[in-house]
Amino acid sequence: EDQVTQSPEALRLQEGESSSLNCSYTVSGLRGLFWYRQDPGKGPEFLFTLYSAGEEKEKERLKATLTKKESFLHITAPKPEDSATYLCAVQSRRGSNYQLIWGAGTKLIIKP
Amino acid sequence: EPEVTQTPSHQVTQMGQEVILRCVPISNHLYFYWYRQILGQKVEFLVSFYNNEISEKSEIFDDQFSVERPDGSNFTLKIRSTKLEDSAMYFCASSEMRTGGYRNYGYTFGSGTRLTVV
Repeated sequence: EDQVTQSPEALRLQEGESSSLNCSYTVSGLRGLFWYRQDPGKGPEFLFTLYSAGEEKEKERLKATLTKKESFLHITAPKPEDSATYLCAVQSRRGSNYQLIWGAGTKLIIKP
Repeated sequence: EPEVTQTPSHQVTQMGQEVILRCVPISNHLYFYWYRQILGQKVEFLVSFYNNEISEKSEIFDDQFSVERPDGSNFTLKIRSTKLEDSAMYFCASSEMRTGGYRNYGYTFGSGTRLTVV
């Protein structure tokens, strides 16, 4: 069964304190791994798609990396406005052509 | 920037009543989806819709649920007889292409409808 596990559940950082969020997955053939940001009461906002091990994507203070078993979302010198829940989702080659399988998310709090 | 619009933002309904959640996807998108998120839990796939028909649905999407694209712009989710456990945030999403086949592309989500069944 395809599974996505994110850690930690919550992370509190001081402004400027860099860290990484983890998404580990088990799927039968990865079509894609997706990172989304979700603010309270809002829908997920697309950040990155990664397809193959070794791939990296960057956007402002965020950098996503992918291995065969996990993905990391690195946040460099975060600001309070980076506070949100970060969701990881995967799409597998088996069966489904459409649905994403989601992790539970990491709630990131950046204190000024 | 184009966005997916959902209405209402919050709906309270009596158990057993029918509800219709509405979505206006991005105009040039071809693939449409409904997801839900029960408070404190993971986002869950409900259904995908392409070329005026359901392309895939999950176990959650039983006979109580239906989707429609009545007029070429709106995309609706109907729950025929709501149960307490249907209380959740319902998200509509759309994509120009089938996600997973193309690089650096994801779904665009709406802000959701919070459904409360009492």
